[in-house]
Amino acid sequence: QSVLTQPPSVSGAPGQRVTISCTGSSSNIGAGYDVHWYQQLPGTAPKLLIYGNSNRPSGVPDRFSGSKSGTSASLAITGLQAEDEADYYCQSYDSSLRGVFGGGTKLTVL
Amino acid sequence: EVQLVESGGGLVQPGGSLRLSCAASGFTFSSYSMNWVRQAPGKGLEWVSYISSSSSTIYYADSVKGRFTISRDNAKNSLYLQMNSLRAEDTAVYYCARDLSPMDVWGKGTTVTVSS
Repeated sequence: QSVLTQPPSVSGAPGQRVTISCTGSSSNIGAGYDVHWYQQLPGTAPKLLIYGNSNRPSGVPDRFSGSKSGTSASLAITGLQAEDEADYYCQSYDSSLRGVFGGGTKLTVL
Repeated sequence: EVQLVESGGGLVQPGGSLRLSCAASGFTFSSYSMNWVRQAPGKGLEWVSYISSSSSTIYYADSVKGRFTISRDNAKNSLYLQMNSLRAEDTAVYYCARDLSPMDVWGKGTTVTVSS
């Protein structure tokens, strides 16, 4: 059972918009700690996708965006492409547990 | 190029020990905190341990506390994870990752299999 809760799977057709939620608690996201998102393509290491709730590292397309409110955060992907098919993880800091991840969400592009 | 390369994984019997290494290059290693993160087969990411840039602050996940020891050698640009009393549930790909919030650089991982 992960400290941060994500839906196990989401799907969408090419060109559509999908969102992935990440729900925490008052000891992590709700305490004001930043949320970060990682993309893990099949067979590869995770890659930083969104940091500090809504910032994109250099090279990440603006189709990816993040937001945070209260004890939750969301990752939105617009203009869905086949190469976006991957696992997505949210991550934050917890005052007791330190580094915490969501359970991961598998994105399927139909 | 900023790079992290893990090594030291392998097959070990339950109760055994293993030492993982992570070699850093392309950045000032001594200025950054580091982490170990693992991923069991078919499962999600699990944060394992954190060490600050000067080694003054160390954290462990409850699942490895008392069995694993994180350390670093800034002169050798290297991070380590000493793993003792290994269990089947420690089987995973182990990644080293730079910094904590966020983990902005990741290695490709090294595989640890605990089995008799």
